[in-house]
Amino acid sequence: NAGVTQTPKFQVLKTGQSMTLQCAQDMNHEYMSWYRQDPGMGLRLIHYSVGAGITDQGEVPNGYNVSRSTTEDFPLRLLSAAPSQTSVYFCASSYSLPQGAVPYEQYFGPGTRLTVT
Amino acid sequence: SQQGEEDPQALSIQEGENATMNCSYKTSINNLQWYRQNSGRGLVHLILIRSNEREKHSGRLRVTLDTSKKSSSLLITASRAADTASYFCATDGYSTLTFGKGTMLLVSP
Repeated sequence: NAGVTQTPKFQVLKTGQSMTLQCAQDMNHEYMSWYRQDPGMGLRLIHYSVGAGITDQGEVPNGYNVSRSTTEDFPLRLLSAAPSQTSVYFCASSYSLPQGAVPYEQYFGPGTRLTVT
Repeated sequence: SQQGEEDPQALSIQEGENATMNCSYKTSINNLQWYRQNSGRGLVHLILIRSNEREKHSGRLRVTLDTSKKSSSLLITASRAADTASYFCATDGYSTLTFGKGTMLLVSP
């Protein structure tokens, strides 16, 4: 199993550009999530999904869009990149759980380092 | 907003010593998890402790939970250089986990 994969590993964008960060998992996990990690801030939840067709906002959703058409994939879209979105982005997945239940251990991807100039 | 807060922010020890890091949180929880992050990598799950448990062991790791004080501690015994990493606690919410800012542990040979 590849686990959780993320592409690209590194990306540089100009302000105003859009892009999609890809995330895929092959563990048949229903729960997937996106975090951003900034120095001194820890990880902050952007969006999450408890299953295909269901997404919800986390702590810092503004400027980001998600969709979940399959169990395996959970792409994160930056609609109009801003320097404040310079960060390391992590995708994670977890075993299935009913909506509202406590997430079990999460499996993280290797991250995408994004710089917006 | 951050639910869990780790303490200390940074810890430097010698190989063979024990390392203790603490996590405090604000609201009641169902469980608390600890993760490790090596430099430039994703997080790796270490251990989960439920709110009705007081102590849990996994290899050289010992986690305690005191729900009355809303705090948890992670003890790494007989540390090794390979334990050098950042350690995060995570508390549960509605379908989500909230991570603290982490403790950076440096273990010198």
